[in-house]
Amino acid sequence: QVQLVESGGGVVQPGGSLGLSCAASGFIFSSSGMNWVRQAPGKGLEWVAYIRYDGGKEKYSDSVKGRFTISRDNSKNALHLQMSSLREDDTALYYCVRDLPREEARFDSWGQGTRVVVSS
Amino acid sequence: AIQMTQSPSSLSASVGDRVTITCRASQDIRDDLGWYRQKPGKAPELLIYAASILQSGVPSRFSGSGAGTDFTLTISSLQPDDSATYYCLQDYSYPLTFGGGTKLEIK
Repeated sequence: QVQLVESGGGVVQPGGSLGLSCAASGFIFSSSGMNWVRQAPGKGLEWVAYIRYDGGKEKYSDSVKGRFTISRDNSKNALHLQMSSLREDDTALYYCVRDLPREEARFDSWGQGTRVVVSS
Repeated sequence: AIQMTQSPSSLSASVGDRVTITCRASQDIRDDLGWYRQKPGKAPELLIYAASILQSGVPSRFSGSGAGTDFTLTISSLQPDDSATYYCLQDYSYPLTFGGGTKLEIK
């Protein structure tokens, strides 16, 4: 079955950088669009970034554009999110999310999340 | 960015009740809307996409309707397992945007 396992979360100071990863298994990763979605403590869901199955298209939310970079390694079934210039409002649980096959931006599989805390 | 407004923000209902949650988009999004359920402490799960298509494995008591700017999620007969927060998501254009959520409590 589809499995998405995030890693790399932790505590970082404002202005710092952090890289998240997601290990994918149970499906053909190289055929799937992938996303990061986050949820601040006690708050709602916020879509963060998207990357097409071949890495040829990337999209970002306005709040992270220019600071975060999504990437993927199809040879390793891995999704990444490089975060820089982190702010306290980036504190959240970050989910790795798969697009429903042939349905871009429709999220059928979610990881359990990795927690990022931005604090001095 | 397209704004998604969900209502109500919370509601309480009894087992067996029919429950309706609405979502309004700030512009026409055709039928490019999904509904997600998030149980406490869990990752969200897809219920409905393209406004009315039931995701595989989702119970038939869930249904979605609407197009353009106004959408509805209906639970025909509420079950204890439905205690959760529900979100809509527009996938008409990037940046994708979620509604603020509706917290559903079982009386």
